[in-house]
Amino acid sequence: AQSVSQHNHHVILSEAASLELGCNYSYGGTVNLFWYVQYPGQHLQLLLKYFSGDPLVKGIKGFEAEFIKSKFSFNLRKPSVQWSDTAEYFCAVNADSGYALNFGKGTSLLVTP
Amino acid sequence: GAVVSQHPSWVICKSGTSVKIECRSLDFQATTMFWYRQFPKQSLMLMATSNEGSKATYEQGVEKDKFLINHASLTLSTLTVTSAHPEDSSFYICSARDEQGLQPQHFGDGTRLSIL
Repeated sequence: AQSVSQHNHHVILSEAASLELGCNYSYGGTVNLFWYVQYPGQHLQLLLKYFSGDPLVKGIKGFEAEFIKSKFSFNLRKPSVQWSDTAEYFCAVNADSGYALNFGKGTSLLVTP
Repeated sequence: GAVVSQHPSWVICKSGTSVKIECRSLDFQATTMFWYRQFPKQSLMLMATSNEGSKATYEQGVEKDKFLINHASLTLSTLTVTSAHPEDSSFYICSARDEQGLQPQHFGDGTRLSIL
C-alpha cells in the first residue's frame, strides 16, 4: 500500500540549531514529493517540491530537501532554525499519474529562543 | 498569487443539522478540487476529489451520502456535511489544482466544524 512516513512527531530545537526531518515513502513508480508547512492558525504553504532533475531541492525560507531514490527518502533540512520556524511540517507524495496528495502524519517543530 | 478562499472558517451547530462549506479559487480556474479532513494532531486525509461538471470521486470509507460534494463551476466546490453528528467534528480543508501555476495545489485556510 502507498504510504508516507515521518519519523519525528515532535522536535524541539534551540534557535540556530540545525534541522533535519525525515520522510520516507512507499510508492511504486514515479513520484512527486513535497514539503508543506502549517504555521499556527494558518493554512498549508508549500515549502518545496521535487518532480525531477537535481535531487537537492531548495525551497523558501532557507529550507532544502534531498531526494534519495534508493532510500525512498525526501528529508527536509535547514542549517540554522529560527523561532519563527515553529510550525507543523508535512511531507506529501503523489504519483505521477494523479494529483491528490498523500500526507505524512506531520512533525511538530518547536524552536525555543 | 493564486488564492483559495474557504468559508466559513469556523462553524458550530447542533447535531442533526447540515452544514455547507464553500471552496473558491479566486484568481484561477480549477477543474479539480480536493477535500481533506484533519483530525487533531493528525495528518490530512483525502476525502474526495471534486471534478467540475461531474460526480466527485470518494476515497474508501468516506460516505458519499454523508459528505455531498458539488463542483458546479470552475471556481467553486462545496462540501455539505448532512445530518452532522459529533463524530463529524473536525478540520476540513480544500485545495484546488492549479494547472497553469507553478504550484500543484493551493490550499484554503480550512473550516473548523464543531457539532454539539
